[in-house]
Amino acid sequence: DAKTTQPNSMESNEEEPVHLPCNHSTISGTDYIHWYRQLPSQGPEYVIHGLTSNVNNRMASLAIAEDRKSSTLILHRATLRDAAVYYCIETGGSNYKLTFGKGTLLTVNP
Amino acid sequence: GAGVSQSPSNKVTEKGKDVELRCDPISGHTALYWYRQSLGQGLEFLIYFQGNSAPDKSGLPSDRFSAERTGGSVSTLTIQRTQQEDSAVYLCASSFFGISYEQYFGPGTRLTVT
Repeated sequence: DAKTTQPNSMESNEEEPVHLPCNHSTISGTDYIHWYRQLPSQGPEYVIHGLTSNVNNRMASLAIAEDRKSSTLILHRATLRDAAVYYCIETGGSNYKLTFGKGTLLTVNP
Repeated sequence: GAGVSQSPSNKVTEKGKDVELRCDPISGHTALYWYRQSLGQGLEFLIYFQGNSAPDKSGLPSDRFSAERTGGSVSTLTIQRTQQEDSAVYLCASSFFGISYEQYFGPGTRLTVT
């Protein structure tokens, strides 16, 4: 079972920032937080990951709470192409497989 | 560079037949994974290969499912005596070894069992 909790759905307007929350209250000190997204009719796509510090890449930013029990994926300017299901996943120890929960369905309005 | 490729992209088979699904990972990636996504369901892990280590088969749903990886590269997922509940999109992913590395997914094979 997925160990993270995400809202079922969120909605945003095009060109506005989007903050997608994730709770991972049982995360251990060496577990990474990965975010993937799945566009309609496509395989999952890696977005970003982090351990303790906030992370930025060309796609998004990841803000990790100081206690690491939650994190937020930030899309700085949503586009229609960002409409997808976003998954927040813990990886750690010898567990290399990704355990997908239901994720958050992001709708972007034009 | 080339991403993960899978073939066929679509496969329709009759109940009871065997099928083979192929995955070509990204060159240099030592880890390879198979997942499946049933209609309206989430993605579930099936099997994981890393180098020459014994594969993690903990996600295979029954002994009708098997997979091999030849020469540390191409992988084949075989489903014997297919059942209608096997209908799903089968996804392959590859990565470098380690929990901090991202997995790159292929486009998937859509399997329909009639």
